[in-house]
Amino acid sequence: KAGVTQTPRYLIKTRGQQVTLSCSPISGHRSVSWYQQTPGQGLQFLFEYFSETQRNKGNFPGRFSGRQFSNSRSEMNVSTLELGDSALYLCASSLSQGYGQETQYFGPGTRLLVL
Amino acid sequence: KQEVTQIPAALSVPEGENLVLNCSFTDSAIYNLQWFRQDPGKGLTSLLLIQSSQREQTSGRLNASLDKSSGRSTLYIAASQPGDSATYLCAVNTNAGKSTFGDGTTLTVKP
Repeated sequence: KAGVTQTPRYLIKTRGQQVTLSCSPISGHRSVSWYQQTPGQGLQFLFEYFSETQRNKGNFPGRFSGRQFSNSRSEMNVSTLELGDSALYLCASSLSQGYGQETQYFGPGTRLLVL
Repeated sequence: KQEVTQIPAALSVPEGENLVLNCSFTDSAIYNLQWFRQDPGKGLTSLLLIQSSQREQTSGRLNASLDKSSGRSTLYIAASQPGDSATYLCAVNTNAGKSTFGDGTTLTVKP
């Protein structure tokens, strides 16, 4: 089975621009979660989608948004980029057949640099 | 609000040594706890998942334990090797799809 894939792998943007990142989960997985990882804040949960619906949300401003398609692929969007948005963005998929009880599988991440 | 702490932040050991990494959490109402390793600049690789009803899980040289009542988990690595050098993260799930991660322990195993 192919693993979780994320595109693009690297991205450079300037302040004020917007960016869209993509995540394709493992085949059959219906839950996709997004995380931001920075040296200062560590790994922080952004949001989770299940069956095209946002099921959980972390404490990030509204500039961060996401969506999930019927094939479980997910995108996240960051508008009006700030320097502090520079980070490694990771997505993870899981079967999510019930609350908890399943392993999360992570993609390699998209490294975003905001200049 | 769930808080996850990992001690120590960094650890350096000679090859062959057995070692223990610690993870503590504040809210014992968890569904599961997962240990990951992360190599520099890369994504996370799942090592072990312990269900809330379990006390421990083993995979090869790795053994993870869970004590919900005290809010603690340990990851035991036997006979460490240089290839084990990485950052080890624990994550606690309290709701489906929402994980709280510790800051990790960076392990260096010297040949």
